[in-house]
Amino acid sequence: AQSVTQPDIHITVSEGASLELRCNYSYGATPYLFWYVQSPGQGLQLLLKYFSGDTLVQGIKGFEAEFKRSQSSFNLRKPSVHWSDAADYFCAVRAEIQGAQKLVFGQGTRLTINP
Amino acid sequence: EAQVTQNPRYLITVTGKKLTVTCSQNMNHEYMSWYRQDPGLGLRQIYYSMNVEVTDKGDVPEGYKVSRKEKRNFPLILESPSPNQTSLYFCASSFGGGWQETQYFGPGTRLLVL
Repeated sequence: AQSVTQPDIHITVSEGASLELRCNYSYGATPYLFWYVQSPGQGLQLLLKYFSGDTLVQGIKGFEAEFKRSQSSFNLRKPSVHWSDAADYFCAVRAEIQGAQKLVFGQGTRLTINP
Repeated sequence: EAQVTQNPRYLITVTGKKLTVTCSQNMNHEYMSWYRQDPGLGLRQIYYSMNVEVTDKGDVPEGYKVSRKEKRNFPLILESPSPNQTSLYFCASSFGGGWQETQYFGPGTRLLVL
């Protein structure tokens, strides 16, 4: 079955430090992958997406993600985090389930930034 | 401003009292969808609509109804809410339901059913 796993429920990093949020997916066909961010009290905002081509994808707010087919991963990275990056991050895969196209989300990773 | 709006943003109700959460988008999107978000479960799709008068069940449709009489509106109806429907609800829209379409999310509606 199609699924998305975010192994880390909660991550804390210091401001200015680098960040990597992990995402693993299970899907038989070519995956279409997304990262969304949810700031407190807000809806989800798309950070970046991967459909094909270059496996390193650049997104908004200085984020990037790398698609690794051999590892079934789509990890999100940022070289230097800012306090405003504190939020919940969701990885998602676009999958065809029973003839319909669905967006399947991971459980989310909460990012806390230490000053 | 292009946006998806939801009302109300917060709602406390009692078991069995019918309620409707409205969703509206101003981007002329064909595809609209409802999700619920619960701790540790991420977002799960409740219902979606490919276009006016075309709706279908998502992963967790039990206890919910939807309608799509106009392109811009996609209300979520709880005919007889129960405490297990206490959740955070998001409406989303996109130009189509295709692979490359990005979904735009509303701000969310936090529902508490007593």
